[in-house]
Amino acid sequence: EVQLVESGGVVVQPGGSLRLSCAASGFTFDDYTMHWVRQAPGKGLEWVSLISWDGGSTYYADSVKGRFTISRDNSKNSLYLQMNSLRTEDTALYYCAKDKDAGSWYQGIDYWGQGTLVTVSS
Amino acid sequence: QSVLTQPPSVSGAPGQRVTISCTGSSSNIGAGYDVHWYQQLPGTAPKLLIYGNSNRPSGVPDRFSGSKSGTSASLAITGLQAEDEADYYCQSYDSSLSGLYVFGTGTKVTVL
Repeated sequence: EVQLVESGGVVVQPGGSLRLSCAASGFTFDDYTMHWVRQAPGKGLEWVSLISWDGGSTYYADSVKGRFTISRDNSKNSLYLQMNSLRTEDTALYYCAKDKDAGSWYQGIDYWGQGTLVTVSS
Repeated sequence: QSVLTQPPSVSGAPGQRVTISCTGSSSNIGAGYDVHWYQQLPGTAPKLLIYGNSNRPSGVPDRFSGSKSGTSASLAITGLQAEDEADYYCQSYDSSLSGLYVFGTGTKVTVL
C-alpha cells in the first residue's frame, strides 16, 4: 500500500524558513517523479514543485521560484521542500504527491498524502 | 490566477448528468498536453479520477468520463449520486510557464 506522510508544518513568521518532509513507502520511490501541491484555506489546488525520479530535473511554480527548493533522498525514500523568505500568502496545506507512471511526469498524480499545514503569520 | 478556467459551480438532481468544462489555450491543452481530473471530497486529499484525457483508474465508476477537444476538456458525471458532491479540478501542462504543471480553478458540484 502506497503511503505518503508529510511532516514539518508549523506556524512561522513572515520572512522565516521551514523544511517540509515526506516519508514514502509501498512503492519503488526512486522510479517516480514526486510533487508538492498546496491548498490555501478555502481555495483551490496550486501546484508548487516537482522533482524527477533521479533528482536531475526540478520545476517550480512562478510564485515560489527562487524561494523554495525541492529535493529528495532516494536512500531514505524521502522528499523535502525547503521554504525560505516565507510570505503570508504561502499559508496552506502542503501535500506530498506521487506521479502516476514511472519515469515520467505527464500522466497525472495518483497518490497524495494527507498534508501538513504551514501558517505564515506574525 | 490559473491558466485553466472552470465554472465555479455546477449542480444537478440525483440521476442527472452534469458536465464540467476546463478551458485552456494554445500553450496548454491546445498544445496537445493531456488533461487529468481530480475529485476532492470535503476534508480529504484529492483523488485521481481521469488520466490521459479519458482513462479511468481502477476503482473509478464508469459514471465518470472525460474528453478533450481543441483547447478545452470536459468531465461528465452521469447518474449523479449524493456522494459525488465534491470539488473537481482539471490539470494539465503549460509550455509558457517555467513551472510546467497547472491546475484548473476548480468546480464545486452540488447534488440537489
